[in-house]
Amino acid sequence: NAGVTQTPKFRILKIGQSMTLQCTQDMNHNYMYWYRQDPGMGLKLIYYSVGAGITDKGEVPNGYNVSRSTTEDFPLRLELAAPSQTSVYFCASSYSIAGHYEQYFGPGTRLTVT
Amino acid sequence: DQQVKQNSPSLSVQEGRISILNCDYTNSMFDYFLWYKKYPAEGPTFLISISSIKDKNEDGRFTVFLNKSAKHLSLHIVPSQPGDSAVYFCAASATRGSARQLTFGSGTQLTVLP
Repeated sequence: NAGVTQTPKFRILKIGQSMTLQCTQDMNHNYMYWYRQDPGMGLKLIYYSVGAGITDKGEVPNGYNVSRSTTEDFPLRLELAAPSQTSVYFCASSYSIAGHYEQYFGPGTRLTVT
Repeated sequence: DQQVKQNSPSLSVQEGRISILNCDYTNSMFDYFLWYKKYPAEGPTFLISISSIKDKNEDGRFTVFLNKSAKHLSLHIVPSQPGDSAVYFCAASATRGSARQLTFGSGTQLTVLP
């Protein structure tokens, strides 16, 4: 099992450009999440999904969009990149079983917007 | 409003001694707590968790203690090893919207000195 994989590992964007961060999990988890981590801060939830076709906003959704067409994939879209979106982005997945609330994280994508 | 706080940004401990990492929370809706470990350029890795119906959970060298009345939890690592040097995040779980969500603290950098 590869677990949660993310591509790319690094990216530099110019202000106003768009990009999609890819996330795939092979654990058959229903729940998937996108977080961002700024320096010296904890992870903040951007969007999450409880299953294919169902997505919902987290704490910091502005400037991002998501889709979930399959159980495995949960891409994150930045439409008009801004310097405030410079961050490290983590995708995670988890079971939807009571008592099993741990999330499994990918290695992250480091994004710089200049 | 930080609902999960880790007030010590860093901690240094001698190899073989005990490491104690602390975490405070404010929201009474949290009913499950987790600790994650993070190495540079990697995603967070789940370490240990505890349900709010318990006050202690052990897994090898790692023990998590929960004091619900004080809204405080701690992670004890005994004995500490150089390989334990990493950033440790405390996270609290509650159901919000359509899924379980995690709220993270800002992390504590643990350095274990040989």
